[in-house]
Amino acid sequence: DGGITQSPKYLFRKEGQNVTLSCEQNLNHDAMYWYRQDPGQGLRLIYYSQIVNDFQKGDIAEGYSVSREKKESFPLTVTSAQKNPTAFYLCASSSRELLTGELFFGEGSRLTVL
Amino acid sequence: AQSVTQPDIHITVSEGASLELRCNYSYGATPYLFWYVQSPGQGLQLLLKYFSGDTLVQGIKGFEAEFKRSQSSFNLRKPSVHWSDAAEYFCAVGARPGNQFYFGTGTSLTVIP
Repeated sequence: DGGITQSPKYLFRKEGQNVTLSCEQNLNHDAMYWYRQDPGQGLRLIYYSQIVNDFQKGDIAEGYSVSREKKESFPLTVTSAQKNPTAFYLCASSSRELLTGELFFGEGSRLTVL
Repeated sequence: AQSVTQPDIHITVSEGASLELRCNYSYGATPYLFWYVQSPGQGLQLLLKYFSGDTLVQGIKGFEAEFKRSQSSFNLRKPSVHWSDAAEYFCAVGARPGNQFYFGTGTSLTVIP
C-alpha cells in the first residue's frame, strides 16, 4: 500500500532536548511538506521541499530544521530553540505529475514537551 | 497575500439535515481549491478538489462543493449528514503542483442524533 508513514505517533521530550520526527513516503512524490497544527490555528507550514537536496522555509521555520537527502524521506528536527514545540505535526507529499498536485498526508506525530 | 477564511469555527447539525461549510479565499492567480477532512488525532483526507471546468464538483462520502469566482468562495455541501461526518473540515488553496498550500483554520462539525 502506498502512503506516508510518520513516526513516532506520540513523543515526549524534556525541555532543552532536540527531537527528530520521521516522515517516509513510497508514493514517488517529488514534493514533501511539514505542517504544525495547533487548536484553532489550522495548519501552518514549517518547511517544504520540491526536490532532493533542496528545501524552503515556510511561515514558522524558526526552531526547526529539515533535510532531504533521499526522495522518500523528509525528517524534521525540533530543536531546543523552538519556544513552544508541543503540537501535532503533519507530514505531506504531492506530485507535480498530478494536475492539481493535491497533498497526501501522514497520520501525524504528537509531540509533548514536559 | 494568499489566505483562506473559514468563518464558522464550529457547527452543529442534526443527523439527516443538510450541511454547508463556508470557505472564502484570497489568491492572486487561478486557484486550485481543496476540501480536506480530519478525524481526531488523524491526518487529513482529501474530500474533493477544483481547478477548472464545471464549478460544481463532486467528492467522496456524498460531499460536493461549488466554486464561485465572483464571491471568491468554495463552499462545501452535503444534502443529508450522517453521524460519521463529525470531524474537522479544512479548506485549502494552492497554485500549480509542488508549490505552497494555504489552509483555513478549520470548521469543527458536531452531528447530533
